[in-house]
Amino acid sequence: EADIYQTPRYLVIGTGKKITLECSQTMGHDKMYWYQQDPGMELHLIHYSYGVNSTEKGDLSSESTVSRIRTEHFPLTLESARPSHTSQYLCASSGNWDNSPLHFGNGTRLTVT
Amino acid sequence: GQNIDQPTEMTATEGAIVQINCTYQTSGFNGLFWYQQHAGEAPTFLSYNVLDGLEEKGRFSSFLSRSKGYSYLLLKELQMKDSASYLCAVLDSNYQLIWGAGTKLIIKP
Repeated sequence: EADIYQTPRYLVIGTGKKITLECSQTMGHDKMYWYQQDPGMELHLIHYSYGVNSTEKGDLSSESTVSRIRTEHFPLTLESARPSHTSQYLCASSGNWDNSPLHFGNGTRLTVT
Repeated sequence: GQNIDQPTEMTATEGAIVQINCTYQTSGFNGLFWYQQHAGEAPTFLSYNVLDGLEEKGRFSSFLSRSKGYSYLLLKELQMKDSASYLCAVLDSNYQLIWGAGTKLIIKP
């Protein structure tokens, strides 16, 4: 059974639409992350959070925003989707130790037409 | 800049042994992770090394040499289900994860 959930699993939308990708975890982890992954490429960190009301931008600017109002919930919003946003989006969480491994959700595969 | 190098693809035979290498150049080092990712699925944690040497976990072992900026993942008694991508990631001095592009391992009967 999954401890970290992402919805939707697949999404096809038109250019200019606003979308929110959902991510929830039941492990009580303070640290949560959003990554973008293209086939055969490394994971790129988009946003991360070390706790409620804490959010930081990663090294990939994707014109997205996140919020962390509750420990278990870390949604990612694209204000205006573009074809360049077509990718797989992975949410992850980790324990409080700096070397705690990441637990990933199953991802959202986004296609922007 | 920071860099992680892994072979793009490797092929091995069921029942054999395969070694997947990872070399890194990062600003500082606070440990190295290996993850397994089956096609269309999420990465799952395999191992963590922070000290030099070999860590064995069942059929999988991971080795680290900090002086050489080098690690490898050793898979023994290969099974068809081991066909996957294997991702190497390093924790830098700021405890940020730097990811390699992954090695796609193809197992043939």
